[in-house]
Amino acid sequence: GDSVTQMEGPVTLSEEAFLTINCTYTATGYPSLFWYVQYPGEGLQLLLKATKADDKGSNKGFEATYRKETTSFHLEKGSVQVSDSAVYFCALSGNDYKLSFGAGTTVTVRA
Amino acid sequence: DVKVTQSSRYLVKRTGEKVFLECVQDMDHENMFWYRQDPGLGLRLIYFSYDVKMKEKGDIPEGYSVSREKKERFSLILESASTNQTSMYLCASSPAGRRTQHFGDGTRLSIL
Repeated sequence: GDSVTQMEGPVTLSEEAFLTINCTYTATGYPSLFWYVQYPGEGLQLLLKATKADDKGSNKGFEATYRKETTSFHLEKGSVQVSDSAVYFCALSGNDYKLSFGAGTTVTVRA
Repeated sequence: DVKVTQSSRYLVKRTGEKVFLECVQDMDHENMFWYRQDPGLGLRLIYFSYDVKMKEKGDIPEGYSVSREKKERFSLILESASTNQTSMYLCASSPAGRRTQHFGDGTRLSIL
């Protein structure tokens, strides 16, 4: 079945550092790929998505590119802020419209 | 903006109780989902529904049931609560044919 593996955390960074969270997937067909973010005490919010190979999703300075050849969808941000402290989830959705999630990566940004 | 509202942010119940978690969405979405979130496990799908009166089992349905009598409301039921059901529960919805799901703020449920 479909599955997602993402980098284990926690990750602690200083402000303005570069952030990468690795995500790889296993799926049949052509899934859509997502990054969701969960700020403390809140539900999940869609951060960005990509629906086909070589698509790049971007939002709030974050980017991820759908790489079919390496089955990856790594999340990157060039300069993080304290407000980016959150839990980040990589997810995929296949033809059944269900989401399969990775375990989540907790990111803490220090001032 | 899509609004998915879960009836309680925090809930404390006792083992053996029947527990109802309610979820309402205001965007006329056909699809609705219930997940539980546990540290190190991400989100796991409990049940989902593609339309009124319809329900499908997800990956971990044991000990749970659902009800969808109206399009906007999807209820999760713990028939006889147990301590291993202590968790964060998240509801989500999406339009028919669309893969992006919209989430509520979650209910943190403790079973004592």
